[in-house]
Amino acid sequence: EVQLVESGGGLVQPGGSLRLSCAASEFTFSKYWMGWVRQAPGKGLEWVASTKQDETEKYYVDSAKGRFTISRDNARNSLYLQMNSLRAEDTAVYYCVRDWMVGTFDYWGQGIVVTVSS
Amino acid sequence: ETVLTQSPATLSLSPGERATLSCRASQSVTSFLAWYQQKPGQAPRLLIYDAVNRATGIPARFSGSGSGTDFTLTISSLEPEDFAVYYCQQRNSWPITFGQGTRLEIK
Repeated sequence: EVQLVESGGGLVQPGGSLRLSCAASEFTFSKYWMGWVRQAPGKGLEWVASTKQDETEKYYVDSAKGRFTISRDNARNSLYLQMNSLRAEDTAVYYCVRDWMVGTFDYWGQGIVVTVSS
Repeated sequence: ETVLTQSPATLSLSPGERATLSCRASQSVTSFLAWYQQKPGQAPRLLIYDAVNRATGIPARFSGSGSGTDFTLTISSLEPEDFAVYYCQQRNSWPITFGQGTRLEIK
């Protein structure tokens, strides 16, 4: 069974940085686009970023551009999200997702909580 | 950016009834629309992709229809486990966007 396990979340002050990791298993990681989707408390889903298999294409929601960087290590079957200049509105559960058809998310991690607060 | 508007915001029905959820796009997304189900405390689950295709393991009571700007998710006969929040999502153009969700609650 496909597994996606996020780590690296927690409490950070406004303006701070955090790096999320996602460990993937039970599928050929290097063959899939991957992405991050977040959900603020009590709110809906918001796509954050996606990366092509070889990182030659990366896309971000406008609010993440210039602050967040998505990356991957195919040798380690891992996906990352480097988040800088964090704001209160970045507080959310962040989900690692397997992007099956360039924008169709067929597997989701359990989510990791990021809280931006002083 | 393509805005997806779901209606109704909340739908109150009883088990056994038919549910019809709508999603309208601000511009054509051709057939590149998916539906997800999310239960409290859980990650979303893919139900329908490319408007009409059921994902692996999804029961036949779930069906999707539509193209262009108007889409529908139909649950033919509600089971107790179907009461959840449903989101539509488009992949026709970047940025990928989700609708605001429809909460399906037990009447």
